Amino acid sequence: ETGVTQTPRHLVMGMTNKKSLKCEQHLGHNAMYWYKQSAKKPLELMFVYSLEERVENNSVPSRFSPECPNSSHLFLHLHTLQPEDSALYLCASSQDLLAAIYNEQFFGPGTRLTVL
Amino acid sequence: LAKTTQPISMDSYEGQEVNITCSHNNIATNDYITWYQQFPSQGPRFIIQGYKTKVTNEVASLFIPADRKSSTLSLPRVSLSDTAVYYCLVVSGGATNKLIFGTGTLLAVQP
Repeated sequence: ETGVTQTPRHLVMGMTNKKSLKCEQHLGHNAMYWYKQSAKKPLELMFVYSLEERVENNSVPSRFSPECPNSSHLFLHLHTLQPEDSALYLCASSQDLLAAIYNEQFFGPGTRLTVL
Repeated sequence: LAKTTQPISMDSYEGQEVNITCSHNNIATNDYITWYQQFPSQGPRFIIQGYKTKVTNEVASLFIPADRKSSTLSLPRVSLSDTAVYYCLVVSGGATNKLIFGTGTLLAVQP
């Protein structure tokens, strides 16, 4: 596969469940990102990883736990979520962390999460 | 990071040229103007990026006046499949590659 893939594409979970979202990039990029997109709201940056090291955590609740075992994979572990956490979770990657001209981010298709 | 302002929505018809304008009054010297496109239930996709004057690629053109306080994304001869949300962002060159998305412009193309 090419580009950025995310699994699962859809997930329904109860508030007491534990689940994980997976992201994989086949682009040889060094930086990976998690975003959250709630209905009628702009995309919100959650976490930033560069060379497997977390470099940014935008005040995200601890019920969201990211993991980056290598530069190609990024996980978002979920536990005791709330219904307001229902959203589209998007993963993205870029060649490097530092912005430069044409250093675009490549997004995956997202995981549509519903918390009951 | 420079804040951007763009219309919430626009309507167009197939075959027309669409121009979406974005304001970024506080843009800094090393900032680049970047546009992304997002279809429903998909991740955003990079369209075009520029610093000044005009940039053109196979998808769109980007016009940036000399003062760089605004920019215009031009989509030639739109089709129904161009219906999407278009985001204007300002990216700081040499800084952390952090994208701050606004609400974007929902372009609805009618037949």
